[in-house]
Parts: sequence; C-alpha cells; structure tokens
Amino acid sequence: DAGVTQSPTHLIKTRGQQVTLRCSPKSGHDTVSWYQQALGQGPQFIFQYYEEEERQRGNFPDRFSGHQFPNYSSELNVNALLLGDSALYLCASSSGTGTRLYFGPGTRLTVL
Amino acid sequence: AQRVTQPEKLLSVFKGAPVELKCNYSYSGSPELFWYVQYSRQRLQLLLRHISRESIKGFTADLNKGETSFHLKKPFAQEEDSAMYYCALSPLNTDKLIFGTGTRLQVFP
Repeated sequence: DAGVTQSPTHLIKTRGQQVTLRCSPKSGHDTVSWYQQALGQGPQFIFQYYEEEERQRGNFPDRFSGHQFPNYSSELNVNALLLGDSALYLCASSSGTGTRLYFGPGTRLTVL
Repeated sequence: AQRVTQPEKLLSVFKGAPVELKCNYSYSGSPELFWYVQYSRQRLQLLLRHISRESIKGFTADLNKGETSFHLKKPFAQEEDSAMYYCALSPLNTDKLIFGTGTRLQVFP
C-alpha cells in the first residue's frame, strides 16, 4: 500500500488561474481532509469529505472547493488564484471519524 | 479562539540531553491533543495523542488542563529525533486539526 498519494508534486500557476489538485486515500480509508501549509506555518484545515459530501469546513473562501468520488479519491479546486495561495497542500485520509490521520506528501503550488 | 502556540521555532540540544518541546493551547472545553512529527524528506505523521497516554520513541506528553499545556518530553535525545514537531488540537466532535507553527528540533552528536 503506497499510502496517501497526491498529484501533481508541484505546479506553477499565475494569478487569476484555476488549479485542481488530486488525492488518493490510503487503502481502506473513506474520509479525506485537505490542509494548506504556508511557508513557516503549520497546516491549516480547509475541509473534509466523507461519502462524497463536504462534512466540515475551515475558514477558507468559496474559491476553495472540493469533490470526493465514489472510490473515495478527492480533488481540491482553487479558483481565481492569488499570490497568497502559494503553499503546500496536504491531503490526509482516515477511516471514519475520530481516527488517526495519514498524510500525503503534499502538492507544492506556486502562484506568480 | 481556538489556538495552538509553540513558542520555540528552533530547539538545539546535544545527544543524551533532555528535551522539552513546549505547546500551549487555547480552547474552551476538553480538546483532543496530538503531536505530529515530520522527519527530513518524509511526510507528516502522528507521534502520539494524549488520550492514548503512551510513550512513542521515548517521547511522552502530559496534558495539563490548568496551564492549558501539552509539552512533549524525552529524557535523552537521540540524533534521529531531529525533525519538525507540530502540536495540534482537535475540537470536540470535529475531525479537524488545529496546528501550531512547529518547532524544529536539532540534536547534535
């Protein structure tokens, strides 16, 4: 089991563009959470998906949206990119609620 | 406000010295508290959680509700303990984690 996988590993976009990041959870996991980690900061919770629905959301604008597919994989979409969206985006998966999170390696997004 | 504070960005010690990584939290209630670790070129992983009351790799952490602290301790640091350590809390009835800004631990030989 490769654990949580994310793609791409890094990408560069310009302001105003849109981006989609992808995550495949660890085998057997049905819940996916997304975090944003700016340079020098701890990860910040964006949202969590379970049964293809957003279950919880952090303090992020509507430009950040997501999706979960029937196979439990997930996408994070960010519209109208700002310079401040440059960060490492982490995906974490778990099995049900209140269980241990397993993190992926992250996608490094740079907005120019 | 729900917040986790790790006052030290960097902590440097010599091998065999005791280590204490500080973590204070702000939360009106009984959160669940965690320590996560990220070794060089590895992904973020759970080190320990307070409800387990376990010792992992020689590390322990005690929840002090009076001081709202959850400091991570190890009596004798090893070089392989060098890593980035994050304290995090999970508010009651949620799965989200609120992380501190992290402390980099450097253990010199």
